[in-house]
Amino acid sequence: GDSVTQMEGPVTLSEEAFLTINCTYTATGYPSLFWYVQYPGEGLQLLLKATKADDKGSNKGFEATYRKETTSFHLEKGSVQVSDSAVYFCALSVDSNYQLIWGAGTKLIIKP
Amino acid sequence: KAGVTQTPRYLIKTRGQQVTLSCSPISGHRSVSWYQQTPGQGLQFLFEYFSETQRNKGNFPGRFSGRQFSNSRSEMNVSTLELGDSALYLCASSDGGHTDTQYFGPGTRLTVL
Repeated sequence: GDSVTQMEGPVTLSEEAFLTINCTYTATGYPSLFWYVQYPGEGLQLLLKATKADDKGSNKGFEATYRKETTSFHLEKGSVQVSDSAVYFCALSVDSNYQLIWGAGTKLIIKP
Repeated sequence: KAGVTQTPRYLIKTRGQQVTLSCSPISGHRSVSWYQQTPGQGLQFLFEYFSETQRNKGNFPGRFSGRQFSNSRSEMNVSTLELGDSALYLCASSDGGHTDTQYFGPGTRLTVL
C-alpha cells in the first residue's frame, strides 16, 4: 500500500545550520507530496507542496523537490532559526483516495 | 476567510460513553477529512466527506462514524469509548481534489478515563 517514511527524530541543530529532513514514499499512481509543520501548541499547517515530478515547493526559506526517480521529497533549509523548532510531517495523497498518508513526523530542535 | 473551527476544544469522558465532535470548514470548501493523532500511532485517517457523501474511510472500528451536512459542516461520533480513544482529533477542509491543500483546525483533545 501507499506509505511515507521519514527520518527519525529528534533532530538537534545549532542556529544557522543547514537542515535536511529525509522523506521517501511508496505510492501507486502519481501522488501529490506535502510537508506540514506543527509548532508547539499549534495546529498543523501546510509548509509546502509539489504535485508533479520535478516540481519544487518552497516557503519561508524551506524547499523540497519531488524526485520520482528516487521516490523522495526531502525538506531542506539553508540556515535554520530557533523559531523553526517544531514537528515536521511529510505526507502524500493519491487520486481516488481522498486522504493524506503521513510519515511519523520529525521533531526539530534548534539551539541558539 | 475564517479558518477551520472545531468544537469543543477539550473533552473528558469515561469509558463506555459516547462523544460527538464538530467541525466547520472554510467557507466554500466541500471536503472535510478527519484524522486521529496519538503519540504512539501518529496521524491516522478516519474518513473523508465531500458534498455529504463519504468517499473514503480509514481502518477504524465501526464505533467511529461521521456525517456531513448540506452546509459542509461535519460531525464525528465515537460510541462506547475506550481508553485507547484518547487522542487529538483533527479536522481538515479542502476543495476536494488530491492536489488540493488540506487546511487543519486546532483539534479536539479527547481524554477517556
